[in-house]
Amino acid sequence: EPEVTQTPSHQVTQMGQEVILRCVPISNHLYFYWYRQILGQKVEFLVSFYNNEISEKSEIFDDQFSVERPDGSNFTLKIRSTKLEDSAMYFCASTDTTNEKLFFGSGTQLSVL
Amino acid sequence: DAKTTQPNSMESNEEEPVHLPCNHSTISGTDYIHWYRQLPSQGPEYVIHGLTSNVNNRMASLAIAEDRKSSTLILHRATLRDAAVYYCILGSGGYQKVTFGIGTKLQVIP
Repeated sequence: EPEVTQTPSHQVTQMGQEVILRCVPISNHLYFYWYRQILGQKVEFLVSFYNNEISEKSEIFDDQFSVERPDGSNFTLKIRSTKLEDSAMYFCASTDTTNEKLFFGSGTQLSVL
Repeated sequence: DAKTTQPNSMESNEEEPVHLPCNHSTISGTDYIHWYRQLPSQGPEYVIHGLTSNVNNRMASLAIAEDRKSSTLILHRATLRDAAVYYCILGSGGYQKVTFGIGTKLQVIP
């Protein structure tokens, strides 16, 4: 079965640094998402993206966050100036209109020191 | 979003059937019932979904009450690999976002 891939699997950064988390969604999918999960807490929606623009975002997704689809295959999440509280597992997901389910990647564990 | 209520945790013996309940008394007529699960250290994984009729797939069965105010995810024969957090989620499906709750943590006992 096709899968969503995320890189890197682990990212360690210093507070205040910029990070870019990368995702390769399933090739024929058109809708893309980022979620995050702080250790021991529930999976939280961050943003959805369609047709090269954000379609919905949560309160968590403030001005420090941005998403981009720089080419036909990658989907990235950028955090401009990381904070300690950004430490979490970040999941990318994708789907298309013919599917009735989201396909999730294995996640990137971000640790902000 | 309409809310769902699930037990925080459940236990099952290996190779026994497991019935995971979900209450969704405020479900709307267009809401689908979705189940996802999250194995330890992995991303969420789709399990099954349905609207009104019971559904079966290779992973599980979904039994939906006639009034649609509750549903049950059935794992016919639990294995150790089924130990995970199971999420019952309402939504319109397709490209709509999925909103996760706390879910039910299933422990499978050998």
